[in-house]
Amino acid sequence: NAGVTQTPKFQVLKTGQSMTLQCAQDMNHNSMYWYRQDPGMGLRLIYYSASEGTTDKGEVPNGYNVSRLNKREFSLRLESAAPSQTSVYFCASRAGQPRPYGYTFGSGTRLTVV
Amino acid sequence: KQEVTQIPAALSVPEGENLVLNCSFTDSAIYNLQWFRQDPGKGLTSLLLIQSSQREQTSGRLNASLDKSSGRSTLYIAASQPGDSATYLCAVSTNSGNTPLVFGKGTRLSVIA
Repeated sequence: NAGVTQTPKFQVLKTGQSMTLQCAQDMNHNSMYWYRQDPGMGLRLIYYSASEGTTDKGEVPNGYNVSRLNKREFSLRLESAAPSQTSVYFCASRAGQPRPYGYTFGSGTRLTVV
Repeated sequence: KQEVTQIPAALSVPEGENLVLNCSFTDSAIYNLQWFRQDPGKGLTSLLLIQSSQREQTSGRLNASLDKSSGRSTLYIAASQPGDSATYLCAVSTNSGNTPLVFGKGTRLSVIA
């Protein structure tokens, strides 16, 4: 099925460990996004990529890095995980100009840092 | 900075009732507004997308309206069912087609059989 695929679905890390969250879309969308969702805080933008080859910081970028590997893939890396990064992470994509249709979201990665 | 507010935070209604969820935004220069549904422990499912030039969109029992000048949108759910129980999120995109969505914190809906 066409859509946004995130891996892994669940992950437990120890403080200080690193990991990369993977995201891929097969809809030929230009723009891709990483959000985190925390209770009482809603969804907050971490980083986004408006088009292949570009990335920009969102509201809460500290502690994260991203790579737009190609048009399909946008990864999120935690270099040294902290308990404050315990959250559910969502990747999304959108077609962008000239047809800025709505967003499509992945099913999320539930990350726990102990 | 765009801020999106959703009221109420939680709502409980009996099955069959018609209901309205509210969303307000501070910057009226939006490009589009999107309503999502999120079931517990799941991802977001897009329900309706309203472009800034539109007043409303309908899908089945759902109707979303947009009043840009007042910075408001409503999601109307007709004849609610227990299966409608979920969190409903409103999100807006400003200025250009690539501007990231800004989300409200959602309304948690419970429809009681």
